[in-house]
Amino acid sequence: GNSVTQMEGPVTLSEEAFLTINCTYTATGYPSLFWYVQYPGEGLQLLLKATKADDKGSNKGFEATYRKETTSFHLEKGSVQVSDSAVYFCALSDWGTGNQFYFGTGTSLTVIP
Amino acid sequence: DAGVTQSPTHLIKTRGQHVTLRCSPISGHKSVSWYQQVLGQGPQFIFQYYEKEERGRGNFPDRFSARQFPNYSSELNVNALLLGDSALYLCASSDNIRDRGLYGYTFGSGTRLTVV
Repeated sequence: GNSVTQMEGPVTLSEEAFLTINCTYTATGYPSLFWYVQYPGEGLQLLLKATKADDKGSNKGFEATYRKETTSFHLEKGSVQVSDSAVYFCALSDWGTGNQFYFGTGTSLTVIP
Repeated sequence: DAGVTQSPTHLIKTRGQHVTLRCSPISGHKSVSWYQQVLGQGPQFIFQYYEKEERGRGNFPDRFSARQFPNYSSELNVNALLLGDSALYLCASSDNIRDRGLYGYTFGSGTRLTVV
């Protein structure tokens, strides 16, 4: 079946530190991979995506590369800001096996000045 | 352009009651999906509708039902509420059921349901 596993949180970093949030997946087909971000009291916002192996998604300084050989899609940012504090969700969509997204459990990030 | 709008934003219900949650997708979007997000967890798929037809159903009991209207807005209904139904209910829309695989969904801010 399809599933997503994210690193456990919470993660606390100082401003300008390097961020990595690990994500691995299991899929029966050829999934598209996504990172969503959720700010307190809000819904989910699409952060970036990759639709095939070796694609790199990027947005707002965040990057993630679709690695089929390691079934991973790790989120990275070179220098985090206080405004990046949020919960980050890794997700996959496998068009071949149904009309739904599979989400990880989320990783809470707090950036301190 | 308005994004995905959900109503109400917060709701408190008693066990055994019924609840209706509403969602208006982005103008032009024909696909609406519903997700349940329990505190501290990732969203779980409940339903997807496209062109007023159910196109997907997650592993939820029959107490959960939904429908989509001709204007593509949608309702999620939950009967015989249980304490465990307390969650953030998210609605998401996309252009069509194929695009959501490539471009992802646009989510609303959700309805926070508390069952007491």
